[in-house]
Amino acid sequence: AQTVTQSQPEMSVQEAETVTLSCTYDTSENNYYLFWYKQPPSRQMILVIRQEAYKQQNATENRFSVNFQKAAKSFSLKISDSQLGDTAMYFCAFTPAGTYKYIFGTGTRLKVLA
Amino acid sequence: GAGVSQSPSNKVTEKGKDVELRCDPISGHTALYWYRQSLGQGLEFLIYFQGNSAPDKSGLPSDRFSAERTGGSVSTLTIQRTQQEDSAVYLCASSLIGAGGYTFGSGTRLTVV
Repeated sequence: AQTVTQSQPEMSVQEAETVTLSCTYDTSENNYYLFWYKQPPSRQMILVIRQEAYKQQNATENRFSVNFQKAAKSFSLKISDSQLGDTAMYFCAFTPAGTYKYIFGTGTRLKVLA
Repeated sequence: GAGVSQSPSNKVTEKGKDVELRCDPISGHTALYWYRQSLGQGLEFLIYFQGNSAPDKSGLPSDRFSAERTGGSVSTLTIQRTQQEDSAVYLCASSLIGAGGYTFGSGTRLTVV
């Protein structure tokens, strides 16, 4: 079975510091996509960053970057220069190429402290 | 529309009553998904619509749950004879074909009392 594991239920970080959220997944697929979604108190899930498994280069979006380790099946999210607006639930998600169902982890609640 | 719109935002219902949750996807998005988010859980896939194809209903937890999508646009998720374990946030998402990522609505928080 394909699974996504986020082992950190809650984390906190001081404003302007850097924090890394962990995600591991289990699959026998070779081609797939990985995502990080942010869910603020408004409940709307916002796509933060996307990684294609066949690309070795780690995806980056402004202050957000990933460390994608395909062999280890690890996909961590690094948030640099943390801002108060980064406070949210963060979900890691996986989908095999050519399919449409996403498999989500249970989320990490991140609190940025002033 | 500019985003995925869901209504109502919050719904409180008595156990045993039926509820309807609505989703209006982004115009032009052919794929529409329903997920359920229970407290402390990840998102659980419920159902997927793609164009005129038969929907993938494999995630619906029981025959009390049903969904339809009219005219390839608006979708309604219906829960009959609601139970307390149905209490959750129901999220709708839409996308173009491919894995560019879903666009989610803000969800409907359903509370069954």
